[in-house]
Amino acid sequence: DIQMTQSPSSLSASVGDRVTVTCRASQRIATYLNWYRQKPGEAPKLLIYAASSLQSGVPSRFSGSGSGTEFTLTITSLQPEDFATYYCQQSYGTPITFGQGTRLEIK
Amino acid sequence: QVQLQESGSGLVKPSQTLSLTCAVSGGSISGGGYSWSWIRQPPGKGLEWIGFIYHSGSTHYHPSLKSRVSISVDNSKNQFSLNLSSVTAADTAVYYCVRVATDSRSYYFMDVWGKGTTVTVSS
Repeated sequence: DIQMTQSPSSLSASVGDRVTVTCRASQRIATYLNWYRQKPGEAPKLLIYAASSLQSGVPSRFSGSGSGTEFTLTITSLQPEDFATYYCQQSYGTPITFGQGTRLEIK
Repeated sequence: QVQLQESGSGLVKPSQTLSLTCAVSGGSISGGGYSWSWIRQPPGKGLEWIGFIYHSGSTHYHPSLKSRVSISVDNSKNQFSLNLSSVTAADTAVYYCVRVATDSRSYYFMDVWGKGTTVTVSS
């Protein structure tokens, strides 16, 4: 199985801040990497697919980059609804695997 | 706009079979070349992929669950289903049904999620 490791596991930030979350794969996965945001009590929502493609309807403050084994999700100008948990997910091969999540909290 | 809604038993006894259905509304389950999937999330934990059923009808399951899981589609009812046999407490989780989309470059991603349904395994 391809292991996905996110860092940090949690971070604190303020509204308006810029934050970056990192996701590392245990083997090269080209750009087969997706990002999701999960608010408490809700289902995950797709933000970024293919490492850097913004899903339709997702605000442009979200961006993704990377290839191979290292990827980043960047959120500029944090909004209140962005305080949630973020997951990366590889779609290079099965079984599909997710990172353990990064919890973004209000400072 | 496509929406997904899970339904099924919220409480299952150990060793029995967990059965869930996902109703698809706002679009045809057999159109558009989409695949369908189930994801689960144990309490306080991360996301675990269970399996896919492709638009071709073929299936692909997580190796750790393969001997116990079955995913099927009922085109006439516009829904797909999950059966997980011989459940234990470790199968307690929120279960999500998900649409899997593919873009022109063959990247695939989970673009529509149901709200999730909680399943507890307990006697």
